[in-house]
Order: sequence, then structure tokens, then C-alpha cells
Amino acid sequence: KAGVTQTPRYLIKTRGQQVTLSCSPISGHRSVSWYQQTPGQGLQFLFEYFSETQRNKGNFPGRFSGRQFSNSRSEMNVSTLELGDSALYLCASRTGTGGAEQYFGPGTRLTVT
Amino acid sequence: GENVEQHPSTLSVQEGDSAVIKCTYSDSASNYFPWYKQELGKGPQLIIDIRSNVGEKKDQRIAVTLNKTAKHFSLHITETQPEDSAVYFCAASRGPYNQGGKLIFGQGTELSVKP
Repeated sequence: KAGVTQTPRYLIKTRGQQVTLSCSPISGHRSVSWYQQTPGQGLQFLFEYFSETQRNKGNFPGRFSGRQFSNSRSEMNVSTLELGDSALYLCASRTGTGGAEQYFGPGTRLTVT
Repeated sequence: GENVEQHPSTLSVQEGDSAVIKCTYSDSASNYFPWYKQELGKGPQLIIDIRSNVGEKKDQRIAVTLNKTAKHFSLHITETQPEDSAVYFCAASRGPYNQGGKLIFGQGTELSVKP
């Protein structure tokens, strides 16, 4: 089976712009979670989507949003980018119906200048 | 609130020695504890996990132990090899169902195995 894929792998944006990141889960997985990884804060949970519905949300401002499509692919959006949003954004997939194991993609490295 | 403390932050061992990384969690409702290995430029890779109804689990050179009473869990790597060098993360969740998608991670341990 193919693993979790994320696009793009690298992005450079300017403060105030918005960005959309994409994640394709493992085939058959219906749950996608997003995480932000920074040197200072480590790995922090953003949100989880299951069957096109947000099932869980972390402590991030409303500028961070996401959605999931009927084929389980997910996107996350960050509006009005700030320098502090520079991070590695990871998505992880799991079956969502009883399987606890989460499998991560390679991440999207976002740099905000 | 939910928190996972991980120690040590860095660990250096000689090839062939054992390495132990320890984590403590605060959320009593946590029942799933995975460990991830992250190499430079890659996403975290699930290497072993344990559920709250099990005290120990082993997979070749890797083992994980869980003490629910003390809210401690540990990763043990035996016969370390240079390719074990990476950053290791522990995590906890209320999985596997509705709350399972939210992993609370420890701060990470950078393991260096010297040949």
C-alpha cells in the first residue's frame, strides 16, 4: 500500500498571505489528523477529520482550518500568515473505525518571510 | 491539562549498548501509547505501541513497558546500531475511537549511537 502523501513538500510564503496544504491518506483510511512541528513547541495537534467532519480540534487560532473530501483526502488552510507559522506541517492517517495506529506523511515545510 | 513529559532530551550510547527513554503522562483517560522514530527530513515513523490493558510489548530489539498506576511508559532498545540514531517521540491518546486522532507528544529524545 502507498503511504501518506503530502503536497507540496516545501513552500515559501510572505506574511499576510494564505496557504493551502494537501494530504492523501493511506487507501482505506478515513481519518486524517494534522500536526504542526516546530523546534520550540514540538509536535502539536491541529485537528482531525473523519468522514468529512471535524472530530477533534487543538488549541490553534481560527486562522488554521481544514476540510476533508469524500475520498478522505484532506486540506488545511492557514490565512493571514505570521512568521511564527513557519513549521513542518504533518498529516497522519488511521482507519478511524477502531484502529489507533497513526501513520505520518513526510510533511510540508512552510517558511514564512 | 494533557501533557506528556519525556526524558532524556539527548542520549548518547556506544553501539551494542542499550538505550532507555522514559515518558510520563498526565491524562488518566489515555489508553494508547505509541512511539515514533523521526529521521532527518522525514515524518515520524511508528515503531511500536502499547495499549493500557498490556504491561509490556516486545518487537525484536525494541520493547515498551507501561505502568498505568504511575502513569509511566518507557522505550527500551537493545543492541543499539548506528542506524538507530534518530529523534524518538513518545505520545499518548484516548484512542482508538473518537478521541484517538489526537496524539499528545513528548518533547523528543535525540539518540546518538556511536560506532
